[in-house]
Amino acid sequence: DGGITQSPKYLFRKEGQNVTLSCEQNLNHDAMYWYRQDPGQGLRLIYYSQIVNDFQKGDIAEGYSVSREKKESFPLTVTSAQKNPTAFYLCASSIVSGGDQPQHFGDGTRLSIL
Amino acid sequence: KQEVTQIPAALSVPEGENLVLNCSFTDSAIYNLQWFRQDPGKGLTSLLLIQSSQREQTSGRLNASLDKSSGRSTLYIAASQPGDSATYLCAVRPVIGNNDMRFGAGTRLTVKP
Repeated sequence: DGGITQSPKYLFRKEGQNVTLSCEQNLNHDAMYWYRQDPGQGLRLIYYSQIVNDFQKGDIAEGYSVSREKKESFPLTVTSAQKNPTAFYLCASSIVSGGDQPQHFGDGTRLSIL
Repeated sequence: KQEVTQIPAALSVPEGENLVLNCSFTDSAIYNLQWFRQDPGKGLTSLLLIQSSQREQTSGRLNASLDKSSGRSTLYIAASQPGDSATYLCAVRPVIGNNDMRFGAGTRLTVKP
């Protein structure tokens, strides 16, 4: 079954701690994305990657970091510099970046502060 | 900068009713517009994607239209069912920018039995 797997489903962060959210896809997609969703707001792009070993900042990259060492994996680290990390985080992928390609989404990770 | 607005924020209808959800965007220079469904605590499921050259797309009881010049799209749901209860989001892919999508905040639909 092809799809996008995000883990964990729920995550708690202590003050000053970095946490990493996992995103894995077996769709053979080149492009991957991380979005943040807050109540009553649309999704906002954090980072995206068009190809392995390359990634670009989105609208709200401050306090976050990513890596793309493998085509199927795009982990997101929420660093201690992100002062308001409580949100629902969604990972997505598409065959290629841009143009007319639809995006496919994982089931999300909900991050809260302890 | 592209802004996407969805009105109303919430909608409640009795089962069996036909309904229309609205999406508006400020810049008509888009590659496509996509409608998604989101169930509570879940990711987004793509419902329909309309390319900029198209006027509408249909899938089962769903019909999405696009009027690019006026910056509007509608999602029509026929004969609504309780299982249609979810949040519906629209998103546009601007021609100019990072190739990312711009999302509306969504309309939360409740279909009462």
